[in-house]
Amino acid sequence: KAGVTQTPRYLIKTRGQQVTLSCSPISGHRSVSWYQQTPGQGLQFLFEYFSETQRNKGNFPGRFSGRQFSNSRSEMNVSTLELGDSALYLCASSLVKGTYGYTFGSGTRLTVV
Amino acid sequence: EDQVTQSPEALRLQEGESSSLNCSYTVSGLRGLFWYRQDPGKGPEFLFTLYSAGEEKEKERLKATLTKKESFLHITAPKPEDSATYLCAVQANSNDYKLSFGAGTTVTVRA
Repeated sequence: KAGVTQTPRYLIKTRGQQVTLSCSPISGHRSVSWYQQTPGQGLQFLFEYFSETQRNKGNFPGRFSGRQFSNSRSEMNVSTLELGDSALYLCASSLVKGTYGYTFGSGTRLTVV
Repeated sequence: EDQVTQSPEALRLQEGESSSLNCSYTVSGLRGLFWYRQDPGKGPEFLFTLYSAGEEKEKERLKATLTKKESFLHITAPKPEDSATYLCAVQANSNDYKLSFGAGTTVTVRA
């Protein structure tokens, strides 16, 4: 059974650019969440999608956005990149709205220079 | 706001030396408390979910317990392969299904 797949694994971008990260959840999972992990702040919740609807959003600026497609795949976008956006971005999927916890992908390591 | 505090920040153990990690939490109604293990450069790997005070779960050398204010992860006779960062997270009993994570405890087991 395939796990949560995130692409790309590594990304280097320049300040001011935008970036799109992709996440394919475990087959059958309809809930997808995104988290940002940094050494200073740890794991912080970005947003959660269920059946193509954003159900919750964390305390991040509007430059961070996401969407979910009908096949449950999800993308997140960060516009006007800042140096502080450098982080490991983790996607997690769950069978039913995260009630029984989430399975995480390996993440996308974004470096902004 | 949900708060999760893990201690200690780091733990160095000799192989076979048992120890416990602590996770203290404040949440307005607990739906579940989760333990994850994370290896460098990888995503968190699910270990346990605990739902109510008094509940215990075991997996190999790991045992997780839950009270109304904290959870413990006991590592019995650890091996070097148990070296990792252990993360605790809570999920509130609300329409919000997000996980609120602690900062983690980094465990190093020396042979």
